[in-house]
Amino acid sequence: DAKTTQPPSMDCAEGRAANLPCNHSTISGNEYVYWYRQIHSQGPQYIIHGLKNNETNEMASLIITEDRKSSTLILPHATLRDTAVYYCIVRVPEKGTSYGKLTFGQGTILTVHP
Amino acid sequence: KAGVTQTPRYLIKTRGQQVTLSCSPISGHRSVSWYQQTPGQGLQFLFEYFSETQRNKGNFPGRFSGRQFSNSRSEMNVSTLELGDSALYLCASSLSRDRGPDTQYFGPGTRLTVL
Repeated sequence: DAKTTQPPSMDCAEGRAANLPCNHSTISGNEYVYWYRQIHSQGPQYIIHGLKNNETNEMASLIITEDRKSSTLILPHATLRDTAVYYCIVRVPEKGTSYGKLTFGQGTILTVHP
Repeated sequence: KAGVTQTPRYLIKTRGQQVTLSCSPISGHRSVSWYQQTPGQGLQFLFEYFSETQRNKGNFPGRFSGRQFSNSRSEMNVSTLELGDSALYLCASSLSRDRGPDTQYFGPGTRLTVL
């Protein structure tokens, strides 16, 4: 499976953009980048995903480099409620199934402060 | 549309007992996956069910089992509970499309404490 590397923690001021990096240098052409977040003791929440192109939805933007070896999740105006663990996951296709399981790493603890 | 629901939300058992956890997926979702989250091991995949069949399995002992019903609802069972089974058990459902990745949506989890 393509592995991901994320910084263990980051801080962000409320109202500013939070830019969370993820390195996935061994990613293959048909593997997707997914982002989830988990607020303390709750179930992980889906944020966004992409393959090659940059993506944006109501929660965040995902910027994927041209070589696909890294990506950045952008929360444009962070609030205190965005404090959570953010997981960058590479989805790998599995023979005979869809894209199978999610393999979670340690993620990045994002702390948004006033 | 209602999200993934899990019951019960909290459970306390003693060593040696067995436990059954339930998951109701989002309406129309055909795949249900289970994950275990502990402070030491993080979030780990247990198994996935699709059309009442186990489609994928993680690296857990046979004490962990599951099943899926015709309405896509799923249960997981842990027999002969050990202290190390104390964890947050998460269920996720997805449409399971034939092509491309399917986004998994998680429930709130069941917090199991084994004494």
